[in-house]
Amino acid sequence: DVKVTQSSRYLVKRTGEKVFLECVQDMDHENMFWYRQDPGLGLRLIYFSYDVKMKEKGDIPEGYSVSREKKERFSLILESASTNQTSMYLCASSPIRDRNTDTQYFGPGTRLTVL
Amino acid sequence: AQKITQTQPGMFVQEKEAVTLDCTYDTSDQSYGLFWYKQPSSGEMIFLIYQGSYDEQNATEGRYSLNFQKARKSANLVISASQLGDSAMYFCAMREGPADSWGKFQFGAGTQVVVTP
Repeated sequence: DVKVTQSSRYLVKRTGEKVFLECVQDMDHENMFWYRQDPGLGLRLIYFSYDVKMKEKGDIPEGYSVSREKKERFSLILESASTNQTSMYLCASSPIRDRNTDTQYFGPGTRLTVL
Repeated sequence: AQKITQTQPGMFVQEKEAVTLDCTYDTSDQSYGLFWYKQPSSGEMIFLIYQGSYDEQNATEGRYSLNFQKARKSANLVISASQLGDSAMYFCAMREGPADSWGKFQFGAGTQVVVTP
């Protein structure tokens, strides 16, 4: 079974702090994604990566950066956390596109609160 | 512009009944994929079912089926014989484009389903 893990289920930080959210997948997937989930808005893509050291902006990259130094690990960084970044953050991974099995596999999510 | 529309923010359904969750999508691509996910209160997103734009048959997975109407651009999820454990948020998602689109998904806002005894 695919396993995607995230470093924390719940996190509370203060405005202005630098925040790291870690995601690790154990299925050798090439693609990894970071989403944020807010009520009424569904999931919105922040950044994604299709290879080590490669990254692409998603729909809402402002205020975030990412790092992918190893294939299995994709980190989301909030350089200076703000209250409007309070949200649920979901990491996902997927293999290189296969028309028959190309779903994304999600981690359990990190609920971040910025005070 | 919103590419995935789920018009039902929430619904109640009685145990053992069938329920249909609506999803319409907007794309000009010929090649795309449609997905449904379930998110229980624990937060994890669980993949339920997939329909490819070129698939002629509606997808089915156990009690889940996808009513794919390409001309109407709709991909409704049907859950037959609802169970209490089906209570969750359900998301419709679309992947547009050919194989070099890196698998980017667009998600709808979700439908909260509550199954009652």
